[in-house]
Amino acid sequence: QLQLHESGPGLVKPSGTLSLTCTVSGGSLSSSHWWSWVRQAPGKGLEWIGEIYESGSTNYNPSLTSRVIMSIDKSKNQFSLRLSAVTDADTAVYYCAREKVVVPAVYFDYWGQGSLVTVSS
Amino acid sequence: DIQMTQSPSSLSASIGDRVTFTCRASRAISNFLAWYQQKPGKAPKFLIYGASNLETGVPSRFSGSGSGTDFTFTISSLQPEDIGTYYCQQYDSLPWTFGQGTKVEVK
Repeated sequence: QLQLHESGPGLVKPSGTLSLTCTVSGGSLSSSHWWSWVRQAPGKGLEWIGEIYESGSTNYNPSLTSRVIMSIDKSKNQFSLRLSAVTDADTAVYYCAREKVVVPAVYFDYWGQGSLVTVSS
Repeated sequence: DIQMTQSPSSLSASIGDRVTFTCRASRAISNFLAWYQQKPGKAPKFLIYGASNLETGVPSRFSGSGSGTDFTFTISSLQPEDIGTYYCQQYDSLPWTFGQGTKVEVK
């Protein structure tokens, strides 16, 4: 059974950089899937941040693209998110998720448990 | 970006009731729509793709319909375990976007 697990600091200072890693177990990153980050501010809905393919190709949400970098380390079966210049608006639960592609469908079939990141001094 | 609008934002129903709520896209997305259920403190769970295709293992009391800009999610007989927030998601074009959710509560 595929499992995803987010890890990283739970507290980031304003103007700092948020860094999270998603570790995939029970399956391989090299499985022709896109891997995404989705966040959820407290009491709010879901916001897609971006996606990365096993090749390292990325697509980002235009609302965040100037601050986001995603990377992948297939040797560790991990992919990562860096979000720079954070403000309290970036306080959220951050989820990593696998995208299932059944052309033309693209949906998120496996999710991590979520990692709460609070931006505060 | 394609904006997804769900209504109502919350609803209250009795166990056994038929429950229906909607999702509207800001432009036509064919049937490129998925639905998720999220329980408090948990990650979303994928339920439906292609607007009406149930994921394997999802109870048949759940169903979806629609095409173009207007979509509907139905629970034919509400069960206690169905309580949570339901989100639609479009995959017609990047960036993938979600509705703001419909919270389903027991009356």
